[in-house]
Amino acid sequence: DSGVTQTPKHLITATGQRVTLRCSPRSGDLSVYWYQQSLDQGLQFLIQYYNGEERAKGNILERFSAQQFPDLHSELNLSSLELGDSALYFCASSPPMSSGANVLTFGAGSRLTVL
Amino acid sequence: AQKITQTQPGMFVQEKEAVTLDCTYDTSDPSYGLFWYKQPSSGEMIFLIYQGSYDQQNATEGRYSLNFQKARKSANLVISASQLGDSAMYFCAMRENSGYSTLTFGKGTMLLVSP
Repeated sequence: DSGVTQTPKHLITATGQRVTLRCSPRSGDLSVYWYQQSLDQGLQFLIQYYNGEERAKGNILERFSAQQFPDLHSELNLSSLELGDSALYFCASSPPMSSGANVLTFGAGSRLTVL
Repeated sequence: AQKITQTQPGMFVQEKEAVTLDCTYDTSDPSYGLFWYKQPSSGEMIFLIYQGSYDQQNATEGRYSLNFQKARKSANLVISASQLGDSAMYFCAMRENSGYSTLTFGKGTMLLVSP
């Protein structure tokens, strides 16, 4: 158990629908990152939050949004789902900003299948 | 331009032998970090080893070592005495320390360890 909790582990839904993926970071970690892993695109960075504020944005579609709440958990909202959104979505967390490794610890992922 | 390149889609090694997984990177940032992660078939991303750009010595963690050649911009992972449980996907990643602290991943190398 990495200490990063993601729910749900598996999700099957239909095109056009909306889903919410949830992430609880490791205790003490302030940063949360969302990544999408698909066969054709590999691991793509979506968005990062630090202590409730958006810190960086990657290849996140406009149909996707995220937020980090005061208790530091984060949610990734995916709407108007398309077949191509089927992927493994990872959440990761890291300690407060510091020099050194600042290793990202990943959750087990949420596997989304859009039919 | 690709920032992390892993040229070996797949590698085979026999149990107890050593194997090197290649990774080259591209950055103009003088301060950066290099990471290796392992993704077994179960899907989770497991941190293996970290090398900072200013580290004088190659990083080692148990059977894992990172062969860091800064001038060549390479950060190869060496696994000594391979075990069957090492069969997995291996990802090289980089964080540039100017800007935000997220990781950019390579496309990965699938390692298969045979008895």
